[in-house]
Amino acid sequence: DAGVIQSPRHEVTEMGQEVTLRCKPISGHDYLFWYRQTMMRGLELLIYFNNNVPIDDSGMPEDRFSAKMPNASFSTLKIQPSEPRDSAVYFCASSSSGLAGVPETQYFGPGTRLLVL
Amino acid sequence: DQQVKQNSPSLSVQEGRISILNCDYTNSMFDYFLWYKKYPAEGPTFLISISSIKDKNEDGRFTVFLNKSAKHLSLHIVPSQPGDSAVYFCAANYGNKLVFGAGTILRVKS
Repeated sequence: DAGVIQSPRHEVTEMGQEVTLRCKPISGHDYLFWYRQTMMRGLELLIYFNNNVPIDDSGMPEDRFSAKMPNASFSTLKIQPSEPRDSAVYFCASSSSGLAGVPETQYFGPGTRLLVL
Repeated sequence: DQQVKQNSPSLSVQEGRISILNCDYTNSMFDYFLWYKKYPAEGPTFLISISSIKDKNEDGRFTVFLNKSAKHLSLHIVPSQPGDSAVYFCAANYGNKLVFGAGTILRVKS
């Protein structure tokens, strides 16, 4: 298995532009998570999906951020409009349900390093 | 509100010696704890985990200890190897969500 795939790996954009980050989870995994890593706040959960349905988006910083999962093999995180303070590394992770129906170990993608100028 | 704390930003250890990384948490509802390792420009990689009903889990050179009364867990790596040099994140699970510590940079000197 190729693992969690994220694209692009690096993104440089100007303030005000729309940014779309993409993620392909591990095949068969039914949970997908989006994280953001910054120096100030560390690694924080933004949103997670179960069976393509958003379950908890309480970590999404503001309305400029949105995430979708149109099918089991693809998810996007969109920032519109982007701001310099959105500069961070964004990780996608996926996991499968365990026997109790709760997620097992999360496997992370390589991340997208976003720089908003 | 840091629910998971790794108070040591960095640790330096000689090759062959033991590395001990520590983690404290505040939420007694956490039911599962994990350690992840991260190399530069890569995503975190799962290392080892422990359920809240256990106090020790061992996997090769890696052992995680959990002290629920103290709300403290630690990761022991023995013997340490230069390839273990990375950032180590402690994470705690509650309600399908992971809360991560700030990470500890481990340097293993040869």
